[in-house]
Amino acid sequence: SAVISQKPSRDICQRGTSLTIQCQVDSQVTMMFWYRQQPGQSLTLIATANQGSEATYESGFVIDKFPISRPNLTFSTLTVSNMSPEDSSIYLCSDQQGLGSYNEQFFGPGTRLTVL
Amino acid sequence: AQSVTQLGSHVSVSEGALVLLRCNYSSSVPPYLFWYVQYPNQGLQLLLKYTSAATLVKGINGFEAEFKKSETSFHLTKPSAHMSDAAEYFCAVSLQGGSEKLVFGKGTKLTVNP
Repeated sequence: SAVISQKPSRDICQRGTSLTIQCQVDSQVTMMFWYRQQPGQSLTLIATANQGSEATYESGFVIDKFPISRPNLTFSTLTVSNMSPEDSSIYLCSDQQGLGSYNEQFFGPGTRLTVL
Repeated sequence: AQSVTQLGSHVSVSEGALVLLRCNYSSSVPPYLFWYVQYPNQGLQLLLKYTSAATLVKGINGFEAEFKKSETSFHLTKPSAHMSDAAEYFCAVSLQGGSEKLVFGKGTKLTVNP
């Protein structure tokens, strides 16, 4: 399985600012995903990021609020824009190897975001 | 659409006791099923997965799960709990031959008492 790293591991931000989270995979992967885990909650998929195409957002998430880039097969970024305290969460990226992987995903360590 | 229900948001066991974490799924087509573990302040780690081969799946750290189609269940068990098993456990489902998306249950926090 690919090893996934995220930067930053945690941050404390002011209301109204934006934060870009980076996700780096140590091998080429087909699909990458971004999740949000609100305090005490399960994971909610924000969007699916495929290289060379626009990210596909889930219901309740929009590109203006969570712009995503996927410039190559090993890297993706998620920006949390115009933050409010409600955006305080852990943000996780994951990858999937593609066909034959049984949709198994491997996760990064997460970025713990606190918005004041 | 598929969904996952984890019964019991908190489970507490004594060290050495049986661990049973319950997961029921809803899916219109054959599912893939997963159990992930999240240790404090860490990301998710895959424990085991069901991919339509054997119905009894063995994973890491002595955990196993049995797929029961008639009960639409995929409960996670471990014969003897260890202190290091204290974590949050998530059941997830996706569709065979369908969307690659994972849908997660709400999680069960396991406490192991000495």
